[in-house]
Amino acid sequence: AQTVTQSQPEMSVQEAETVTLSCTYDTSESNYYLFWYKQPPSRQMILVIRQEAYKQQNATENRFSVNFQKAAKSFSLKISDSQLGDTAMYFCAFMKLGDYKLSFGAGTTVTVRA
Amino acid sequence: GAVVSQHPSWVICKSGTSVKIECRSLDFQATTMFWYRQFPKQSLMLMATSNEGSKATYEQGVEKDKFLINHASLTLSTLTVTSAHPEDSSFYICRLTGVNTEAFFGQGTRLTVV
Repeated sequence: AQTVTQSQPEMSVQEAETVTLSCTYDTSESNYYLFWYKQPPSRQMILVIRQEAYKQQNATENRFSVNFQKAAKSFSLKISDSQLGDTAMYFCAFMKLGDYKLSFGAGTTVTVRA
Repeated sequence: GAVVSQHPSWVICKSGTSVKIECRSLDFQATTMFWYRQFPKQSLMLMATSNEGSKATYEQGVEKDKFLINHASLTLSTLTVTSAHPEDSSFYICRLTGVNTEAFFGQGTRLTVV
């Protein structure tokens, strides 16, 4: 079974600043996907970014980027130029290739201060 | 626009009654459906997985007779909480995926049992 660990329950960041969320995972698989999901107060799950394990290049989506370290089994999310709308709970998730089941971390609540 | 519609968005029911939650895919054939449960400020916990045409597979500790899942068609899955009790109060979210498609979350259902 895969485990996903997010060690930061809460983080606070000033608007326009940068914040980095950590995520580590444990797996014996060599091919898999990693995700970051955002859950705002509406509780709708929103996909922020996805990384295929076979790709060495770190995924980027506008202000969101990841630092994927496969050997260290680390997958951190950096939010640049934080905006008030980024306030949400963020979940790191793992999915084995060929299996659509997601394993979630405990989540990190991010609060962006004006 | 939304590709998954989950209803109702919130429901209050009396203890001992049953509640049905629907999850529909709007523009793709959902071959696999997942149901999650989420308590406040906690992560999503997978309850069960259903594939079209077969019985649902429940995660350890989830009572299949209490949480009835019906994958009625390629566009509809229902979760029925039978004989609901206050401890069943939670946020329930569906996630649907099809062949060679992304997976999409429903908007979630907040269940309160009084």
